[in-house]
Amino acid sequence: GNSVTQMEGPVTLSEEAFLTINCTYTATGYPSLFWYVQYPGEGLQLLLKATKADDKGSNKGFEATYRKETTSFHLEKGSVQVSDSAVYFCALSNQAGTALIFGKGTTLSVSS
Amino acid sequence: ETGVTQTPRHLVMGMTNKKSLKCEQHLGHNAMYWYKQSAKKPLELMFVYNFKEQTENNSVPSRFSPECPNSSHLFLHLHTLQPEDSALYLCASSQDLAVQSGEKLFFGSGTQLSVL
Repeated sequence: GNSVTQMEGPVTLSEEAFLTINCTYTATGYPSLFWYVQYPGEGLQLLLKATKADDKGSNKGFEATYRKETTSFHLEKGSVQVSDSAVYFCALSNQAGTALIFGKGTTLSVSS
Repeated sequence: ETGVTQTPRHLVMGMTNKKSLKCEQHLGHNAMYWYKQSAKKPLELMFVYNFKEQTENNSVPSRFSPECPNSSHLFLHLHTLQPEDSALYLCASSQDLAVQSGEKLFFGSGTQLSVL
């Protein structure tokens, strides 16, 4: 079945540093790819998505490009802020296209 | 506020207790989901409902019993749980099941369950 692997955390950065969180996937067919973010004490929120190869999702300065050739969907941000501290989840649609399969999550901690 | 409300926020129960988790959405969505979030593990899909009908049961033990009386409400009934069932239980909803085409899931804040 479909699965996703994302880099282990925690990731600790200083404010204004560049962020990359790696995500690779295994899938049959053409899944949609997502990044969700979870702030402390809250549920997950959609950060960005891409529905086909070479699409770039972007939101709040975060970007990720759907790379079919490398089966990757790495999350990047050019300059992180303290308020970006959260847990980030990479996800893809399951084989039936009816639910999301999530990675383990990567904790990001940004200090000023 | 995502429009998905879960109660209670925290629950402590013994292994012989029976309790229920409640999820409510006022977004007019047709699909609802239960996920389990444990430390150091990926979110685990438990159940999927579409128009009140269960469409997926991801090999969940029978001590977890879901109920979806209408498209706005989803329950998870718990009985004779084990300590390893302690986790954050997340409810989500979406307009329909078209996740393949990029349909967005809206999550509640979860119920933190501790089984003693």
